[in-house]
Amino acid sequence: SYVLAQPPSVSVAPGKTARITCGGNDIGRKSVNWYQQRPGLAPILVIYYDTDRPSGIPERFSGSNSGNTATLTISRVEAGDEADYFCQVWDSDTDHRVFGGGTKLTVV
Amino acid sequence: EVQMVESGGGLAQPGGSLRLSCAASGFIFSGYEMNWVRRAPGEGLEWISYISGHGTTRYYADSVKGRFTISRDNAENSLYLQMDNLRADDTAIYYCARSTNPTTELDFWGRGTLVTVSS
Repeated sequence: SYVLAQPPSVSVAPGKTARITCGGNDIGRKSVNWYQQRPGLAPILVIYYDTDRPSGIPERFSGSNSGNTATLTISRVEAGDEADYFCQVWDSDTDHRVFGGGTKLTVV
Repeated sequence: EVQMVESGGGLAQPGGSLRLSCAASGFIFSGYEMNWVRRAPGEGLEWISYISGHGTTRYYADSVKGRFTISRDNAENSLYLQMDNLRADDTAIYYCARSTNPTTELDFWGRGTLVTVSS
């Protein structure tokens, strides 16, 4: 089955840029979605189709995808961005949605 | 306003059963495909099941196949998850989430319901 690898944690200072990676075999050929989950709350979609932002998501959130790595970039990080972030793709070989293990973003 | 509210969670014994429900409002329920996703304590998100708009196509994660059954009632704007032969590692918060087809993003999620499997 298809495996997505994320770093368990990323730390960033307020106002700086955070980059969260999602590695997978030839992931550049797949469409990657990203979700944010703050403690105690439901997940929300922050990036879909690699680079698109749903309405209401700040422009500070952006995505890219090429080769074996997809990246979620959060510019001008704020304290409120502290959350778990998950990448997700569709595995057409198994007809399964697959999530990465998640990355805890800490704003220090 | 789009809303999805899960219910039916609680404490179950190993080998027992529970039926989760997800009540949807604020959108044309039959026009969306639906999913169940869970998050166990200390773990990440795990997709567990999908159902098409009219219920003709269903997919399951290997971890629940043969034990869980997804269904929907479009007249009642409701999604269900019948969970049988529960195990301790099914303990998690269970979320319903909608999509426009199986390969696309999960664009809206409910707030979840907690299932605890313990003797």
